[in-house]
This record gives sequence, structure tokens and C-alpha cells, in this order.
Amino acid sequence: AQKVTQAQTEISVVEKEDVTLDCVYETRDTTYYLFWYKQPPSGELVFLIRRNSFDEQNEISGRYSWNFQKSTSSFNFTITASQVVDSAVYFCALSLFSGGSNYKLTFGKGTLLTVNP
Amino acid sequence: KAGVTQTPRYLIKTRGQQVTLSCSPISGHRSVSWYQQTPGQGLQFLFEYFSETQRNKGNFPGRFSGRQFSNSRSEMNVSTLELGDSALYLCASSSYRGETQYFGPGTRLLVL
Repeated sequence: AQKVTQAQTEISVVEKEDVTLDCVYETRDTTYYLFWYKQPPSGELVFLIRRNSFDEQNEISGRYSWNFQKSTSSFNFTITASQVVDSAVYFCALSLFSGGSNYKLTFGKGTLLTVNP
Repeated sequence: KAGVTQTPRYLIKTRGQQVTLSCSPISGHRSVSWYQQTPGQGLQFLFEYFSETQRNKGNFPGRFSGRQFSNSRSEMNVSTLELGDSALYLCASSSYRGETQYFGPGTRLLVL
């Protein structure tokens, strides 16, 4: 069975600080996808990024960056120069690559990020 | 392109009643999945539909059911509601099975 752990329940920072959200996953499969979603107070889950297990290249998109390390089963997310609008719950998720019953998303418990002005 | 839409957005029911929630996927998307979100259990997978067939089901009792129509729209039904069914129900669609899932705004169900 798959498992996603987000050890940080809540993080509070001051605007313009950098913040890293941690994600550790468990799976016996060698092919899988990892995701980050953002959930603002409105409730809708907003897709941020997807990485597949073959691609360990880290990515930067504006103020967001992701660090995927298969050796430590981690997929961490960093927000640079945080802004108040970044305040939300962030979820890390895993789905397996192959067919059958494996396309469901397994989510972590989420990390509540509060960015104070 | 319009996003995933869910109706109704809010719902209040009493124990023992049944409820039907609706989800319209992004145009062209054929796979629809449903998730339940509660403070205690977090986000949990309910079921997935593709081409009008349930392809995958989570660990929920038979009171939870769903279906998908030929236009890919999906409904989920919960019968004999219990207080513990109070949750945010999220629908997600993807272009094909295994592709990125895009979520709707959810339906907040309160069971009294």
C-alpha cells in the first residue's frame, strides 16, 4: 500500500520568508507519480505540479521550486519570498503509474501554511 | 476551458436521508474520481469512473455509490446518511486514466 507523510502540520512565516514543505512517500512500485496540490480556504484543490518517478530533475517555476529525491523518497516544495496569498493547505499526493486499480491519489494529511504580513 | 463544476455547493440533510451530488468534468475529460475530505480522516478516495464504468473503489460502505453518464458527467449517491458523512466531497476529472486530476470546488454536506 502507498503512504504519504507530511510531518509538518502547520507552518507560520512572515511575508518574504522562504518556506519549505516536506513530503515523504512510501511505495513498493518503481513507477509512480507525485503531486502537489494547494487548497485555499474556498476548498478547491488546485494542481501545482506532477513529477514521474523516472524524472528526478528538480524544477523551478517562478517563486515555486520542487526537490525530488528518490534515494530518500522525498518530494519537497519550496516557496521563495512567500506572500500572504500563499496561505493555504498544501497536499502532497502519490499515484501509481500502471493500470488496474492504481490511479487513485493517495494524499498526505496536508500542511497549513500561514503567511503573515 | 471551463473547470470542473459540482452541484450543489452546500447541502444540509438529516440522518437517514439520502443525497445525490453532481459533477461535470472538464470538457473532453473522460475519467471522474470522487474523494471525501474530513478533518479526521483527511482526503480519501471514494471511486473512479471511466467510460461509464466504475474502475476503482475505495474502502467505503455500500451506502456510497455513483455512476457516470455517456457525456462523462457523474453523480454520487449516499443513502441512509449518518452524522459521520458530513464532509467536503470533491470531484476530479482527468483526460484519461492516470493523467493529472483537476478538482472541482466541492460540495459541503452537513448531516444533522
